[in-house]
Amino acid sequence: GQNIDQPTEMTATEGAIVQINCTYQTSGFNGLFWYQQHAGEAPTFLSYNVLDGLEEKGRFSSFLSRSKGYSYLLLKELQMKDSASYLCAVMDSNYQLIWGAGTKLIIKP
Amino acid sequence: GAVVSQHPSRVICKSGTSVKIECRSLDFQATTMFWYRQFPKQSLMLMATSNEGSKATYEQGVEKDKFLINHASLTLSTLTVTSAHPEDSSFYICSAREGRAYNEQFFGPGTRLTVL
Repeated sequence: GQNIDQPTEMTATEGAIVQINCTYQTSGFNGLFWYQQHAGEAPTFLSYNVLDGLEEKGRFSSFLSRSKGYSYLLLKELQMKDSASYLCAVMDSNYQLIWGAGTKLIIKP
Repeated sequence: GAVVSQHPSRVICKSGTSVKIECRSLDFQATTMFWYRQFPKQSLMLMATSNEGSKATYEQGVEKDKFLINHASLTLSTLTVTSAHPEDSSFYICSAREGRAYNEQFFGPGTRLTVL
């Protein structure tokens, strides 16, 4: 079956760095997405990786290793507004998004 | 980025009534639209995929007669929850994609449905 695993909850301190991991097993692979979702709101796109390596976009970076079925989202210089759920999603061979359950990130002052 | 709107943002209805939710792509043509449901503290669950002008493809376990989806144009899809019951209370989110299957999906702001 298809499976996306990510931690349920993480806590970090304002100004620090946090890494959210995602491992996947899917039927085929056409890219991995990270989305941010604040409570009561729809997800917003953060990043897309389809090749191995690190993609950097401001304070956020995303890494992919296809051979290991592994990705992480790195958030630097954490701000209180970064408190949200972070969803990992993999596009399978049918171009369908398979969603992880999300990681709730709590930022403390 | 592309904008997707949903209406209404919140709806409260009595058990047994039907509720229609609209999803519109405002500045692009949505070849494919997706309808998701999200229960509290859970991830998005895909309900169905609809391509303009054709019948929606429903995920396993989703009743197509209960959740009617119409994708009549390249900018509008509707989800009608028929004979709603309290267990249908959830956050319904649509997303839209233009053109090729590997293109990014853009999400609407969601509709909070509460069935009394």
